[in-house]
Amino acid sequence: ILNVEQSPQSLHVQEGDSTNFTCSFPSSNFYALHWYRWETAKSPEALFVMTLNGDEKKKGRISATLNTKEGYSYLYIKGSQPEDSATYLCAFNTGGFKTIFGAGTRLFVKA
Amino acid sequence: DVKVTQSSRYLVKRTGEKVFLECVQDMDHENMFWYRQDPGLGLRLIYFSYDVKMKEKGDIPEGYSVSREKKERFSLILESASTNQTSMYLCASTRTGEETQYFGPGTRLLVL
Repeated sequence: ILNVEQSPQSLHVQEGDSTNFTCSFPSSNFYALHWYRWETAKSPEALFVMTLNGDEKKKGRISATLNTKEGYSYLYIKGSQPEDSATYLCAFNTGGFKTIFGAGTRLFVKA
Repeated sequence: DVKVTQSSRYLVKRTGEKVFLECVQDMDHENMFWYRQDPGLGLRLIYFSYDVKMKEKGDIPEGYSVSREKKERFSLILESASTNQTSMYLCASTRTGEETQYFGPGTRLLVL
């Protein structure tokens, strides 16, 4: 059974702190790894899609890395702001229609 | 601006009722998906459709059916709602060849 694990489950940080969370996924049959941000009362939105081992993606203060050989990805947020408060979902795809989602990391940034 | 909309944000239904959740996308995407999200679990796939009138079971199809009569619309049907179907339901769509999913805002369903 394919499983995607995210840690921590939730995280409370102060404004200005940098933070990171982890996504673990099966290292076999890898096709793509996605990160989504899901703010309360909004739709989940795509942050990154990564396909190659060693990929690094960046969008503003948020970046992500990918290690397909050992089956993990890190998401980093530099200088967290209250508007970064959201659930961050990791999703693993083997190339078909099905995408396996982790349970998410819920980030709370206190001003 | 791409958009996936869902017919209701919140719904309260009684056990045994037939429930329809509607999803519409305006991106001309071929593929559409229904997920449910429960605390502590990742999104779980209920059904998906890769073309009009086509449907495939996901991981947890029991108690659900779907309908896709038009490309832009994908409906999830709970034939006889039960309390264990209380959940957040998310619709998503993708273009064939692209894996990034575009999500609706979700419908929070409470079955009493």
